[in-house]
Amino acid sequence: GAGVSQSPSNKVTEKGKDVELRCDPISGHTALYWYRQSLGQGLEFLIYFQGNSAPDKSGLPSDRFSAERTGGSVSTLTIQRTQQEDSAVYLCASSFVAGADEQYFGPGTRLTVT
Amino acid sequence: RKEVEQDPGPFNVPEGATVAFNCTYSNSASQSFFWYRQDCRKEPKLLMSVYSSGNEDGRFTAQLNRASQYISLLIRDSKLSDSATYLCVVSPMNSGNTPLVFGKGTRLSVIA
Repeated sequence: GAGVSQSPSNKVTEKGKDVELRCDPISGHTALYWYRQSLGQGLEFLIYFQGNSAPDKSGLPSDRFSAERTGGSVSTLTIQRTQQEDSAVYLCASSFVAGADEQYFGPGTRLTVT
Repeated sequence: RKEVEQDPGPFNVPEGATVAFNCTYSNSASQSFFWYRQDCRKEPKLLMSVYSSGNEDGRFTAQLNRASQYISLLIRDSKLSDSATYLCVVSPMNSGNTPLVFGKGTRLSVIA
């Protein structure tokens, strides 16, 4: 079956512009996660959604970052007024349930802020 | 103390060598453990789960030591294709935060 998909695969934007990144999780997976990974660094947790519960936003680095998940499926991560330090690969993952379940990752969106 | 700590490496080993990675975790209530593999400029993928009794998958052996709070990964007969970054992952069930916590990874280079 289809894995996690993300779009766009690459995004170049000017400093100060807003960007939207999209994630389509694996069908039937109730948990969805966003991470970012800067060059040569580990994964930085941003936010996760579990079913219809309120999302855990504890990892969002600033109020310029927000995410939503519509209908318990597709999610969009929005970064407002982008800064150069936002440049990174943004990875989405999903799992059947949150907790101790394996996470399946999408290929990521490489964001470059010029 | 970081939640999950790994030696960043790099580990440079010749083909055919045996190499071992260790990882320590801080939350003694952690219940689930995994090793993920991440190739350069690719997304992480599950390599294997780690069970209390230890488990083996071909050339890969994972072990868990709850008393000392560390997890190990042993790779026997290394192949060039094993070159990647290996991520230690822990589920801190009572963290109130993300269900899985990723280490920063250990980089392995297998050399011909």
